[in-house]
Amino acid sequence: AQRVTQPEKLLSVFKGAPVELKCNYSYSGSPELFWYVQYSRQRLQLLLRHISRESIKGFTADLNKGETSFHLKKPFAQEEDSAMYYCALSGYMNSGYSTLTFGKGTMLLVSP
Amino acid sequence: GAGVSQSPRYKVAKRGQDVALRCDPISGHVSLFWYQQALGQGPEFLTYFQNEAQLDKSGLPSDRFFAERPEGSVSTLKIQRTQQEDSAVYLCASSLDRTGNTIYFGEGSWLTVV
Repeated sequence: AQRVTQPEKLLSVFKGAPVELKCNYSYSGSPELFWYVQYSRQRLQLLLRHISRESIKGFTADLNKGETSFHLKKPFAQEEDSAMYYCALSGYMNSGYSTLTFGKGTMLLVSP
Repeated sequence: GAGVSQSPRYKVAKRGQDVALRCDPISGHVSLFWYQQALGQGPEFLTYFQNEAQLDKSGLPSDRFFAERPEGSVSTLKIQRTQQEDSAVYLCASSLDRTGNTIYFGEGSWLTVV
């Protein structure tokens, strides 16, 4: 069974402070991990995926298979980063398709 | 339209009423997913279509939930005899291919059962 854990419901920081949103996962195979973001009154959208090794809006995330973690980091938070962040894991089914398992989400609040 | 479209955006149903939620995926997308998101929770998988074939319905919580995609494009999620615990946001998502690794979400249908 696959599971994604986001231990923090709310993370509140001041503008310019570093941010780390934690994500741990449980999966028997080789996982593909994602971070999704939902800004106020907007739809859920992909922020980044581990296979791309990219930095989006200053955010990065490194897959640590030893610790089964995929924490999201940003060195200097901005007010516009305030949103709901979901960590998700993609697991392949026998029929060749994959579905996403989401964590419960962490609300990031960046204050001026 | 350019994105996944869902209707209605908001639905208030009386307990015991049947509801139907519609999803228009991005044109040409093979994969279509339905997720349920209860208040304070992350989205939870309900069912998956590849074109018109429903390949996975393991997440449907009860036999009151039924989904279809008869022509491989528009999909409908039907909930019969709604209960209060069905209150949630129902998200539809589509993907160009089978992997589902680049999926696009709709804005969701907010269902409140009173």
